[in-house]
Amino acid sequence: DIRMTQSPSSLSASVGDRVTIPCRASQDIRNDLAWYQQKPGKAPERLIYSTSTLQSGVPSRFSGSGSGTEFTLTISSLQPEDFATYFCLQHNSYPLTFGGGTKVEIK
Amino acid sequence: QVQLQQWGAGLLKPSETLSLTCAVYGGSFTGYFWSWIRQSPGKGLEWIGEINHNGITNYNPSFKRRLSISLDSSKNQFSLKLTSATAADTAVYYCARGSVTPGSWGQGVLVTVSS
Repeated sequence: DIRMTQSPSSLSASVGDRVTIPCRASQDIRNDLAWYQQKPGKAPERLIYSTSTLQSGVPSRFSGSGSGTEFTLTISSLQPEDFATYFCLQHNSYPLTFGGGTKVEIK
Repeated sequence: QVQLQQWGAGLLKPSETLSLTCAVYGGSFTGYFWSWIRQSPGKGLEWIGEINHNGITNYNPSFKRRLSISLDSSKNQFSLKLTSATAADTAVYYCARGSVTPGSWGQGVLVTVSS
């Protein structure tokens, strides 16, 4: 199985900050990576797929980049509703595997 | 817009079969994969498996011996059965629809396995 690593598991930031969330794959997954946002008690919501394609309806302050084994989710200007946990998911090969998540907390 | 509504037994005893169903409203089965994913504090998010509109399945090998995913297109439903449940199967279970990755998710059902 491909192992997805997200570190740090949490970070603190302020409204308006630019935030970058890394995700690393244990082997080359080309650009087959998605990002999800999850708020407490809710199902994850897809933000981005295929590394950089924004899901319809997702604000443009979210963007994704990377390829191979290193990927990044960037929030250009953090908004109050963005405090949540973010997960990456590789969809290059079965079984699909998720990262452990990065929780974005209020500084 | 598609909506997924899921249900099933929330409390099981060890060795029983975990059984969940997901109903799809406002969308076709064709052209999508219909997935099951679970989330627990210990293991995080785990992809369990998926089925497409033709009934072709892909399973996570971690569950393969115990897992069955099926589809009833006449009812717009798909189902998960996981046999021989243990405490390690305690989690929130989600159904989801996707073409590339799971894009629309159900509300989640907490399943607890305890004697």
